[in-house]
Amino acid sequence: ETGVTQTPRHLVMGMTNKKSLKCEQHLGHNAMYWYKQSAKKPLELMFVYNFKEQTENNSVPSRFSPECPNSSHLFLHLHTLQPEDSALYLCASSQEVWVASYEQYFGPGTRLTVT
Amino acid sequence: AQSVTQLGSHVSVSEGALVLLRCNYSSSVPPYLFWYVQYPNQGLQLLLKYTSAATLVKGINGFEAEFKKSETSFHLTKPSAHMSDAAEYFCAVSDRQNFVFGPGTRLSVLP
Repeated sequence: ETGVTQTPRHLVMGMTNKKSLKCEQHLGHNAMYWYKQSAKKPLELMFVYNFKEQTENNSVPSRFSPECPNSSHLFLHLHTLQPEDSALYLCASSQEVWVASYEQYFGPGTRLTVT
Repeated sequence: AQSVTQLGSHVSVSEGALVLLRCNYSSSVPPYLFWYVQYPNQGLQLLLKYTSAATLVKGINGFEAEFKKSETSFHLTKPSAHMSDAAEYFCAVSDRQNFVFGPGTRLSVLP
């Protein structure tokens, strides 16, 4: 595998389910990100991790719980979601945060539908 | 705080015509600027980035962008559109604190 991978690619869950999204980067980067992309809305940054430590949480509801066990893996645990949480969830990585010239590399995303 | 505006949420061009996608930014420090492309049901892919080495930046797939400080712009161009260029394009600006994406422009290419 190369680049940034995400599993599953598609997920349908009920509002009472618990599920997790997984992201893995094979680029040797130290920073990882979760974004939410909803139809007709700008990309929303949700969480940022740098060297496994969470450095940013953009007022995300507690029904979204991130986990970063090491610099290569990032999870997003989901529980008691709402229909408005249906979106494309994108994972990204970069060499480090707070270095302006470092671009972010994105995974293909997980298309989440909450029923 | 930084911000990015992209004029035109949807742009249509004919195959073979010039592509021009507009991006204006605001930043209190010299910015780093990026263009990304997103094909349907995929993640974002880096097209090119500006890091102050040269004002005209060449990217993949025949795209290029010119940094104009006086206009605070970083417009993306391609001389001749191809059907495969149909996608969503995002401009982004970065300083040491934030990486901010614009709202995106959807490019349609008509046969």
